[in-house]
Amino acid sequence: QSALTQPASVSGSPGQSITISCTGTSNDVGAYNYVSWYQQHPGKAPQVLIYDVTNRPSGVSDRFSGSKSGNTASLTISGLQAEDEGDYYCISYTTSITWVFGGGTKLTVL
Amino acid sequence: QLQLQESGPGLVNPSEMLSLTCTVSGGSIATNSYCWSWIRQAPGKGLEWIGHIYQSGSAYYNPSLRSRVAIVIDTSNNQFSLRLSSVTAADTAVYFCARQRADSSVLDPWGQGTLVTVSS
Repeated sequence: QSALTQPASVSGSPGQSITISCTGTSNDVGAYNYVSWYQQHPGKAPQVLIYDVTNRPSGVSDRFSGSKSGNTASLTISGLQAEDEGDYYCISYTTSITWVFGGGTKLTVL
Repeated sequence: QLQLQESGPGLVNPSEMLSLTCTVSGGSIATNSYCWSWIRQAPGKGLEWIGHIYQSGSAYYNPSLRSRVAIVIDTSNNQFSLRLSSVTAADTAVYFCARQRADSSVLDPWGQGTLVTVSS
C-alpha cells in the first residue's frame, strides 16, 4: 500500500489559517470516514487532533478542524500560534483492512 | 488514566528477531472496544503503521511487513508484543505502541516510544 500524499511543508504567520491536505484513493480516504490527524513535536509521541474526519477529542483546541472531499482529507488550523509548529500526519483505514499514514507535513510558524 | 509503555532491547543484530512488549496500565487490554497497535518511525522519517491485534488474537498487518511480523496479545499480563524477524538496518526506528478504538480511527493514547537500532 502506498503512503497517503501530504505536502512536505507548509508555513504561516501567527493568526493566519493554514490547511494541510491528505490525498489517497477510493480504496482508503475515499472509501470510509476513518481518517484522523496527529501532531508530533520533536522527540515526542504523536497526539490526536481530529478523528473520523471531523471529530475533535475533548481537550483539543477548536482551532483545529477536519474535512473530506472525495479522496482528499484536510486539516485546517486557524489562528496559527507558535506552539502549532511541528509535524502533522494523517492516517486512513483501507479496503484491505489495514491502515496507512500520510508522509507527514512540517508546519513552520513564521 | 490508561498508559502504555514499550520495553525491549535497544540494539538488535542484523538478520535476528526484534521483540518488543507494550505494557498497558490503568485499564484492561481485554476489551472488544479497542485494538492494540504498533507504529514505527525511522530516524527523520514519517510514521509507518505496522499492525494491530484484538483481544481475540486476530491480528492485521502492513502488507509490506506481513511476511516478517507477528503481534501477540497476553491478556493475563495486560501486554501485547511485536516480533519482527530477519531485521536489517532499514528496521532501525522508534517503535510506538498505541490503543485504537475498534470502530474509529482514533489512536490514543500512545506510548512514549522506544528506539531500536539494528547493527552488529
